[in-house]
Amino acid sequence: DADVTQTPRNRITKTGKRIMLECSQTKGHDRMYWYRQDPGLGLRLIYYSFDVKDINKGEISDGYSVSRQAQAKFSLSLESAIPNQTALYFCATREGVSGYNEQFFGPGTRLTVL
Amino acid sequence: GQNIDQPTEMTATEGAIVQINCTYQTSGFNGLFWYQQHAGEAPTFLSYNVLDGLEEKGRFSSFLSRSKGYSYLLLKELQMKDSASYLCAVRDTGRRALTFGSGTRLQVQP
Repeated sequence: DADVTQTPRNRITKTGKRIMLECSQTKGHDRMYWYRQDPGLGLRLIYYSFDVKDINKGEISDGYSVSRQAQAKFSLSLESAIPNQTALYFCATREGVSGYNEQFFGPGTRLTVL
Repeated sequence: GQNIDQPTEMTATEGAIVQINCTYQTSGFNGLFWYQQHAGEAPTFLSYNVLDGLEEKGRFSSFLSRSKGYSYLLLKELQMKDSASYLCAVRDTGRRALTFGSGTRLQVQP
């Protein structure tokens, strides 16, 4: 079984709809992240969380919200989706103790907003 | 803030060596990562540098010069499966998350 899972893997929705993307991990990591990836722009950080009570905005948080329901679950919501939120979304986790520790990424969610 | 630059695309021949450069500007450097990402897939970790010098891991090596704000990823004995994007990411002492460059798309030709 995959250590970091994302649901759904693909989603097509319409402008104005509320969308939730979910991320679960079995790695026991305390740090979780949401990124979006657009062609030519690389990965950009939306939100990150270092534990259930610690939520932080990234560089492009406008139009998004998150919920850390448990150590293993971190959800991303688009309250009112717009076409420029069409992108590939990745969740990632990291063990928090050492600066060396790399991030592990989920398989991604491809979101299309019409 | 941070600024990370990588070439957008590179082409190389199977069996050859290729070097992918990354330059960065940061207020307080605290580590540099390289990730590989095949089209439509998740990024996977390749290497980490925090001190100056070369880190070797099989066919892949990564070099860091903190004084120059410069790193490179060296891929030897290129294989067709190495065709992918390579992402440079920097952590600084002030932020608690990585900043990624736009990535370099490498195409390996027969």
